[in-house]
Amino acid sequence: GNSVTQMEGPVTLSEEAFLTINCTYTATGYPSLFWYVQYPGEGLQLLLKATKADDKGSNKGFEATYRKETTSFHLEKGSVQVSDSAVYFCALNTGFQKLVFGTGTRLLVSP
Amino acid sequence: GAGVSQSPSNKVTEKGKDVELRCDPISGHTALYWYRQRLGQGLEFLIYFQGNSAPDKSGLPSDRFSAERTGESVSTLTIQRTQQEDSAVYLCASSPGTVDQPQHFGDGTRLSIL
Repeated sequence: GNSVTQMEGPVTLSEEAFLTINCTYTATGYPSLFWYVQYPGEGLQLLLKATKADDKGSNKGFEATYRKETTSFHLEKGSVQVSDSAVYFCALNTGFQKLVFGTGTRLLVSP
Repeated sequence: GAGVSQSPSNKVTEKGKDVELRCDPISGHTALYWYRQRLGQGLEFLIYFQGNSAPDKSGLPSDRFSAERTGESVSTLTIQRTQQEDSAVYLCASSPGTVDQPQHFGDGTRLSIL
């Protein structure tokens, strides 16, 4: 079956630090991969996506590259801000089907 | 509105009561999904509607849970004889139903069972 594993949090960083949140997946077929973000008190929002191997998704300074050989989709940002504090979810789907989510990683950025 | 709308935003009810949660998808989106997010956990898939096809109910945790959708519009998720373990945020999402299009989420209904 399909599954997503992401690093446990919380991840605590100082402002302007480099961020990596690891995500690996197991899937049948050729999944699309997503990162969703949930800011405090807000709903889940799509952050970025990649639909095939070697694609790089990017948004708001965040990037993630679809690595088929390592079945990974790690989220990175070169310089985090306090406003990036949120819970980040890695997810996959195959076609129109339901999203399969990781358990989420809480990021805390201090000034 | 432009986004997925869910109501109520919060619901507190006593154990054993029935509850009904509503989702208004983005206009034109043929696919609609319900998920559950328990405190501190990831999202669990509940049910998926795509156009006029039979829904995928594989994620419903028990026969106390059911959902309906009329055409490509509003959906309701019903939980009968609620239990304390039903306490969670229930999230609805919709998508255009074409390959690789992302799901857009509502703000959720926070359900608390006393």
